[in-house]
Amino acid sequence: AQKITQTQPGMFVQEKEAVTLDCTYDTSDPSYGLFWYKQPSSGEMIFLIYQGSYDQQNATEGRYSLNFQKARKSANLVISASQLGDSAMYFCAMREYGQNFVFGPGTRLSVLP
Amino acid sequence: GAVVSQHPSRVICKSGTSVKIECRSLDFQATTMFWYRQFPKQSLMLMATSNEGSKATYEQGVEKDKFLINHASLTLSTLTVTSAHPEDSSFYICSARDRLAGTLDDEQYFGPGTRLTVT
Repeated sequence: AQKITQTQPGMFVQEKEAVTLDCTYDTSDPSYGLFWYKQPSSGEMIFLIYQGSYDQQNATEGRYSLNFQKARKSANLVISASQLGDSAMYFCAMREYGQNFVFGPGTRLSVLP
Repeated sequence: GAVVSQHPSRVICKSGTSVKIECRSLDFQATTMFWYRQFPKQSLMLMATSNEGSKATYEQGVEKDKFLINHASLTLSTLTVTSAHPEDSSFYICSARDRLAGTLDDEQYFGPGTRLTVT
């Protein structure tokens, strides 16, 4: 069964606007972590933000914030004030306690000038 | 953040030959390293987990005799693609977890990837 779902294969956003990339997950483990990575065309995986299952507040890192809705099992990434350099693939990932990463299928974000 | 390097970044080899990819953790010790494979426009698929000083654990469907993994030290893991064929052409990414990490939020550091093309 698919553990991480990213329903948007591709997204477009105008420069300087905000965009939300969707991620839903499936787990019965109460302890897990959720991660977002950015992969530009160069291929490197760039860590963006982390949310723990027990964290009470939504994680934020600069222009990135994670909209964590535990009951709905969603962990959407919000990018504010989009920049041209934000154009890339974005992967949502989950790690359950003692397990390896599971990655979602990814969303390709294109920022338009 | 911690740095993981991969070498080579890009390799082209002929069908039937073997190619070795190195993954190094530059400023930390990694008891566990991971090897992923990524086809164009697809996500990362875990191939194997490599533990220092022991045999690698391969994911279902990954041929251990074809993809040889050696984790000889706390800073180096190698993936050797033996008797490569065009269908092995892919982007291979390694990742390392800090030896000192032990919590759920410990970050996995990714290498820059190696693009393998088999002609």
